[in-house]
Amino acid sequence: AIVLNQSPSSIIASQGEKVTITCRASSSISSNYLHWYQQKPGAFPKLVIYSTSYRASGVPSRFSGSGSGTSYSFTISRVEAEDVATYYCQQGSSNPFTFGSGTKLEIK
Amino acid sequence: EVQLVETGGGLVQPGKSLKLTCATSGFTFSNAWMHWVRQSPEKQLEWVAQIKAKSNNYATYYAESVKGRFTISRDDSKSSVYLQMNSLKEEDTAIYYCTWERLRGHYFDYWGQGVMVTVSS
Repeated sequence: AIVLNQSPSSIIASQGEKVTITCRASSSISSNYLHWYQQKPGAFPKLVIYSTSYRASGVPSRFSGSGSGTSYSFTISRVEAEDVATYYCQQGSSNPFTFGSGTKLEIK
Repeated sequence: EVQLVETGGGLVQPGKSLKLTCATSGFTFSNAWMHWVRQSPEKQLEWVAQIKAKSNNYATYYAESVKGRFTISRDDSKSSVYLQMNSLKEEDTAIYYCTWERLRGHYFDYWGQGVMVTVSS
């Protein structure tokens, strides 16, 4: 199974700050199949970015993604209070689909 | 409006069985590829199982951790997907989410609210 190493495990940021999360795969994956989810406390995960860089419906433009091969990143250009959540990467390039361990974003 | 509603969770002893149901509405279920994903108390997400549509011969896939113990199935007439869980272990304790892979991109567009399964003596 492909292992996704996500870092950092937690971030404390100020509103308006730029934050970046990295997801590194144990083997190369197609950029078509690297995705990001946002999970707010007490809620189910919500798809934010699919296929590396495409924003899901209704997702603000401050969220973006990039990467290829084994290295991918997720960026919030200007963090807002409503972005407090845990973010997960997920690969669907090979079965079994796997998730990163999550990055918890908190606001100062 | 798309809805996925899971039921059937609860407290069960190790070695026992439980069956989860996901009732869906708001989309053409018969064409849908459906999954179960679980989240442990430590918040780690784990894909559990997938069932494809009739046009894909209802192909099924499982995580190694549940293979041989869990069975995913569907009833297109009821727009429902099921997860039969046998020989449950304490490490199966998790919130179980039903998800819909709408666009065949190997990601989960829609999620249910989840149902808690606790395996403990």
